[in-house]
Amino acid sequence: QSVLSQPSSASGTPGQRVTISCSGSSSNIGNNFVYWYQQLPGMAPQLLIYRNDQRPSGVPDRFSGSKSGTSASLAISGLRSEDEADYYCAAWGDNLAGYVFGTGTKVTVL
Amino acid sequence: QMHLQESGPGLVKPSQTLSLSCTVSGGSINSGYYYWNWIRQHPGKGLEWIGYISYSGSTYYNPSLESRVIISVDTSKDQFSLRLSSVTAADTAVYYCVRDQGSPSYGMDVWGQGTTVIVSS
Repeated sequence: QSVLSQPSSASGTPGQRVTISCSGSSSNIGNNFVYWYQQLPGMAPQLLIYRNDQRPSGVPDRFSGSKSGTSASLAISGLRSEDEADYYCAAWGDNLAGYVFGTGTKVTVL
Repeated sequence: QMHLQESGPGLVKPSQTLSLSCTVSGGSINSGYYYWNWIRQHPGKGLEWIGYISYSGSTYYNPSLESRVIISVDTSKDQFSLRLSSVTAADTAVYYCVRDQGSPSYGMDVWGQGTTVIVSS
């Protein structure tokens, strides 16, 4: 049902850089901002990145977002054990499609 | 710091109507250009946006749920509510109430802790 595609999993060792992709279309990512959410185990999601590449206050600068065309990426540099979580991209869709989420990526710290 | 808290029955019978409320604290529900959303997460699955009611009272629903959803607001109680009719087992999920602000959005920045709703006879 999700219209934004993400890899199901990603992993890295502590200190490494991990990148998560999010693929959409011209009617969502291509024409609107991208948002990223982090969901720690057993917790509600929390906003990580807004408007493609902006970090809310309190979010470490290890997290960065980018967008190009109909795709977006989330990068986590200096990976830490507490970054183990599910990550979701999202965007508003055109033509009354509403707010659409990505399929989600589980990040594992090895 | 605004805080959201969901409340409502944790068990709903098939074909009945699911009703949840979200209480806003730490600020007034009509104190800004906010959009009050409901989002759900099926067991072990991803996130699904249900819809919102805006600061102006306009509503916008997920097209796949639109025929069964009503989101309303009670400013006197600083609450907004979700009604989902004709539920089936496929509506079993954790339901979150969520604040969004701005247009274009600044992101869904305040989430309730979530409430589990099971649809079963």
